[in-house]
Order: sequence, then structure tokens, then C-alpha cells
Amino acid sequence: GAVVSQHPSWVICKSGTSVKIECRSLDFQATTMFWYRQFPKQSLMLMATSNEGSKATYEQGVEKDKFLINHASLTLSTLTVTSAHPEDSSFYICSAIGAGGPSYNEQFFGPGTRLTVL
Amino acid sequence: KQEVTQIPAALSVPEGENLVLNCSFTDSAIYNLQWFRQDPGKGLTSLLLIQSSQREQTSGRLNASLDKSSGRSTLYIAASQPGDSATYLCAVFISGTYKYIFGTGTRLKVLA
Repeated sequence: GAVVSQHPSWVICKSGTSVKIECRSLDFQATTMFWYRQFPKQSLMLMATSNEGSKATYEQGVEKDKFLINHASLTLSTLTVTSAHPEDSSFYICSAIGAGGPSYNEQFFGPGTRLTVL
Repeated sequence: KQEVTQIPAALSVPEGENLVLNCSFTDSAIYNLQWFRQDPGKGLTSLLLIQSSQREQTSGRLNASLDKSSGRSTLYIAASQPGDSATYLCAVFISGTYKYIFGTGTRLKVLA
């Protein structure tokens, strides 16, 4: 199957700083990438959907100014958590699908990034 | 609004038992349904993907079925092993959107 990587795998930062998380599709071109958040012992919640070259679509309740998403190329999407606070501490997971859309492709998931805000 | 529920929420069984995990969804308009495994503190491992036109998929000791009309999927694990202990998540890809909705998960513990 296709491979999706995330960097970093974990990060610890001070409250008020910004953190950037990268999501890369290593062996396919990802026209659409997704960002999820998972709190302890809970399921994954979709935060936003990003298409290459266009603005991300955010789910209800997700602050677009706080969670900046950039999908500048067909293999890279970034999530920047701006002015992070302890309540932003979570496990962030990205996924990607290739050309053809969801009716032809499955989502491939990255290994996740654990963010801890002190 | 699509809702995905998994039953049971937690399960503890002795090694060797055959298991059935359940996933139900409220809207049958889906592209596909996927089962994942998640170990504590780790990412997702894809187990089986069932397209909306399919009824079941098999991989080793795992078998997943899909009944779109009733909004149900089951994951069957044969001859369970301690290494199967993990959280199992199902997710549906909603037709007409680019949204993947995850179920609530089943935490499985297989005792040696």
C-alpha cells in the first residue's frame, strides 16, 4: 500500500508558541489530505480537508486561524498549531488519497504526531 | 448526519476465542468502509477495506462483512491471540463528500 509519513512524531512546546506538523505522501500524489485529532481514549475526529492548491475546508468547531493548513504540493500538507495552549495537546494524524477521489481510493494514514503543550 | 457506533466498547477474552466486533452507521450512502487497528500511543494500521459494492473481505484470520442496507459491518477475528490486543476502529467514507467518519472504537484485550 501507499506510504504516508509525518514529522515530527512527537513534539513538546511551551504555551504560546507555534508548532508545524508535516504530512507527506511518499510514493503517490495526494490530491486530498485530511487532518484528524485524537484525544486520549477517544476516536479520531476530522479537523479539516485540504486539496492541493486551494484553501482547506474546516469542520464545524475547528478554528481555522488557530489550525493553519497548507497543501502546497501534491505530496506535502502542513498543519500549524498557532499560539498553542495545553488544551491543544493531542495526537494529530493525517491521511491522504490519490487522484480519482474516494470512490476509487482508500485513505492512507500517517503514523501520527503527539503534541504536548506545557 | 452520519454517526458510526461500535459495540462493544471494550472486550476481554481468553486466547483462542473467535470474536465478532460490530460497527453500525446511520447513512448507507458510503463509498467504502474500512477497519483499522490502533495500538496504544500509535497510529492506525489498516486491516480491511470493503468497497460499497462488496459484501466481505478476508485477510488471514480476519473477515469483515458489509451490509449497506442495514448499515452494519462486522469484523470477525478467528482464534484470537494476545497480539490481537488493541483498539479496533471502523470508518466510513461518505458518498458525495471527502469525509471519513470514524466509529467509537472497541478496545480488545486477549488474555494468554
